[in-house]
Amino acid sequence: DTAVSQTPKYLVTQMGNDKSIKCEQNLGHDTMYWYKQDSKKFLKIMFSYNNKELIINETVPNRFSPKSPDKAHLNLHINSLELGDSAVYFCASSRYGETQYFGPGTRLLVL
Amino acid sequence: DQQVKQNSPSLSVQEGRISILNCDYTNSMFDYFLWYKKYPAEGPTFLISISSIKDKNEDGRFTVFLNKSAKHLSLHIVPSQPGDSAVYFCAAKGLYSGTYKYIFGTGTRLKVLA
Repeated sequence: DTAVSQTPKYLVTQMGNDKSIKCEQNLGHDTMYWYKQDSKKFLKIMFSYNNKELIINETVPNRFSPKSPDKAHLNLHINSLELGDSAVYFCASSRYGETQYFGPGTRLLVL
Repeated sequence: DQQVKQNSPSLSVQEGRISILNCDYTNSMFDYFLWYKKYPAEGPTFLISISSIKDKNEDGRFTVFLNKSAKHLSLHIVPSQPGDSAVYFCAAKGLYSGTYKYIFGTGTRLKVLA
């Protein structure tokens, strides 16, 4: 009965590949987020969806494309992976403006 | 421009003593502050929060203090336990172009020594 789940937990891939990370929440929240934690441990917001509508779109390369098929799911697709994309990606959810609850993270390593 | 700063990357405390984790911020428009705890290979978990209209919030062994004039908040853990060993992130909520956004600090790694 995990509240916010992400798959896969680990992802090792070659430069230039395309990959997707999936996120699901069963908390009934209306807002979902993608964060990136880089090697310096900064947790930075990338995207946020409220009721399937994109409300936060930080300055990230357009190789990153989020998709929210419904309020309980937010997926992240990354095209043409680069070495600098290696990081931990966290999904989170909340009621709009309220405390965010995080998934366990997806550790992406691009070789 | 780092709006939320945790200047101590690490802290070691003896079991049973008080742990004090600090966080400074620059944006006076932040209206809500939170602390998250993170164990290795897990996502951050919410610990405690405080509204900008308060100066203290307590939940069991955890107390958060907010000093708005100094733009400073701190998390006190009393008494510290080995299971408290984790990375602690502070976060601040602000309104950016009509949308709420949370800004996180870089974290402080707490080690509680038995």
